[in-house]
Amino acid sequence: AQTVTQSQPEMSVQEAETVTLSCTYDTSESNYYLFWYKQPPSRQMILVIRQEAYKQQNATENRFSVNFQKAAKSFSLKISDSQLGDTAMYFCAFGSRDDMRFGAGTRLTVKP
Amino acid sequence: KAGVTQTPRYLIKTRGQQVTLSCSPISGHRSVSWYQQTPGQGLQFLFEYFSETQRNKGNFPGRFSGRQFSNSRSEMNVSTLELGDSALYLCASSLGSGGYQETQYFGPGTRLLVL
Repeated sequence: AQTVTQSQPEMSVQEAETVTLSCTYDTSESNYYLFWYKQPPSRQMILVIRQEAYKQQNATENRFSVNFQKAAKSFSLKISDSQLGDTAMYFCAFGSRDDMRFGAGTRLTVKP
Repeated sequence: KAGVTQTPRYLIKTRGQQVTLSCSPISGHRSVSWYQQTPGQGLQFLFEYFSETQRNKGNFPGRFSGRQFSNSRSEMNVSTLELGDSALYLCASSLGSGGYQETQYFGPGTRLLVL
């Protein structure tokens, strides 16, 4: 079975600075996607970024980028120029054809 | 397009009762997945419905059941409620043909409190 591990339960960062959230996973599948979802306080969970496992190039979405190390089964999220609105729970997730797994989440607080 | 909607948003029940939660997916999405979110256990997968059939199921007791209608709307039912069923129940929809390789779109959740 697949597992997703987020080793940082909580993190904080100063506004405008850069922060990296860690995620590792374990799988024997070859065809899968990795996701970072964001759940702001009392708001809906939304997709931040996704990475196809067969693509070597790291995905980027504006201030959000990932460092995908397939051999190490690592998928970290970098948030540049942090904003107050980035305060949220961040979930790393693994998705294959028939399985979806979420990590335990990292609570990120952006401080003014 | 309208997003995923869930009703009701909040619910208070007592032990032993049963409850039905509803989820309307994004138009055109055929897959609906249900998750239970608690502070202690995090996000746990309950089940997924695709084209009115349960396609995947998590490790939850039979008290948790669901169904999907022809318009892709889905309901989740919990019978004989226990205190431990208090949680935020999230549903998520996706197009469905690619399984969990697709992006899921989440609803706002139904917060269930069992007294």
